Amino acid sequence: DGGITQSPKYLFRKEGQNVTLSCEQNLNHDAMYWYRQDPGQGLRLIYYSQIVNDFQKGDIAEGYSVSREKKESFPLTVTSAQKNPTAFYLCASGLQGKTNTGELFFGEGSRLTVL
Amino acid sequence: GENVEQHPSTLSVQEGDSAVIKCTYSDSASNYFPWYKQELGKRPQLIIDIRSNVGEKKDQRIAVTLNKTAKHFSLHITETQPEDSAVYFCAAILSGGYQKVTFGTGTKLQVIP
Repeated sequence: DGGITQSPKYLFRKEGQNVTLSCEQNLNHDAMYWYRQDPGQGLRLIYYSQIVNDFQKGDIAEGYSVSREKKESFPLTVTSAQKNPTAFYLCASGLQGKTNTGELFFGEGSRLTVL
Repeated sequence: GENVEQHPSTLSVQEGDSAVIKCTYSDSASNYFPWYKQELGKRPQLIIDIRSNVGEKKDQRIAVTLNKTAKHFSLHITETQPEDSAVYFCAAILSGGYQKVTFGTGTKLQVIP
């Protein structure tokens, strides 16, 4: 069953702690993305990666870090430097390059709450 | 990079009426324009898309129009139903390229029964 999986679905964190959100896809997609969504707000791009071992900052990268060691995986770490980390986080993937159709596929999201 | 503006931010319509959401983009090279629907607490899902080689595409009650000269595209929903209530996002993408994908700020559509 192909798709993109995010975990955990819900996460609670104390202030000052780092937390890592998992994103795994078995769609053989080159590109992966992390978006943040606040209540009633749009999708803001945190980081994206077009290829293994390479990634770029999006519009709101401060306080976040990522890695792309495998094509299937693109974990996001929310560090203690992120001032307001409580949000809904969405991971997405898509084909890029010559095979790019443009469509993105989203995971079900991870809801992070800082206590 | 691409900049996408979306209007309105909220839209309320009576059931059975039509709804129109508009987006403008800045990069004339963009050639793929998807629309995503996000129901409350769920993931965004693609509902319709259009490529720059056509001006209009229709799928049952939803349609998208594209004006490349003016760099804007619109989502049209006819005969709206309560299940159309959701947040809708647009994007403008250069397919085949290597770039970040940014979305419009979203439109919250409420269909009133």
